[in-house]
Amino acid sequence: GNSVTQMEGPVTLSEEAFLTINCTYTATGYPSLFWYVQYPGEGLQLLLKATKADDKGSNKGFEATYRKETTSFHLEKGSVQVSDSAVYFCALISRGGADGLTFGKGTHLIIQP
Amino acid sequence: DTGVSQNPRHKITKRGQNVTFRCDPISEHNRLYWYRQTLGQGPEFLTYFQNEAQLEKSRLLSDRFSAERPKGSFSTLEIQRTEQGDSAMYLCASGQANTEAFFGQGTRLTVV
Repeated sequence: GNSVTQMEGPVTLSEEAFLTINCTYTATGYPSLFWYVQYPGEGLQLLLKATKADDKGSNKGFEATYRKETTSFHLEKGSVQVSDSAVYFCALISRGGADGLTFGKGTHLIIQP
Repeated sequence: DTGVSQNPRHKITKRGQNVTFRCDPISEHNRLYWYRQTLGQGPEFLTYFQNEAQLEKSRLLSDRFSAERPKGSFSTLEIQRTEQGDSAMYLCASGQANTEAFFGQGTRLTVV
């Protein structure tokens, strides 16, 4: 079955630091890949997506590249802000979409001023 | 369209009682998903509908859980004879086939 593994948190960084949150996956076929973000007290929001190999998803300064050869979709941001503090979830959906989206356990990011 | 709407936002119930949650999806979406999320974990898939047809149910979904989506519009998730282990955030999401889903704010269930 499908699975998503992402780095354990919490991840604590200073403002303006470079961010990487690792995500690797196991899936049948060629899935679409997503990063969702959950701010405190709010629901999950789609942050970015990539639907095929070598696609780069980007939004709000965050980027992730679909790497088929390493089955990875690492999230990066060049300069984080305090407002980026949240829980980040890597997710995938297989073509055919049985079981819907499969999520990782989430990485809690804390940005200190 | 204001996005996916879930009601109620919070529910406290006594063990053994039945509860029902409602989800109103984004109107043009044909897929509707139910997930469960516990503290420190990612959302776990429960079930989904393509229009009014329930196409997949997770092994997590015991026979105390039932979901409906009459006429392919809103959906309800019912939990019968609630147990303390049912305490969680229940998330609804909608989308089109094989692509991203948009989530509601969730219903937080506490079983006492």
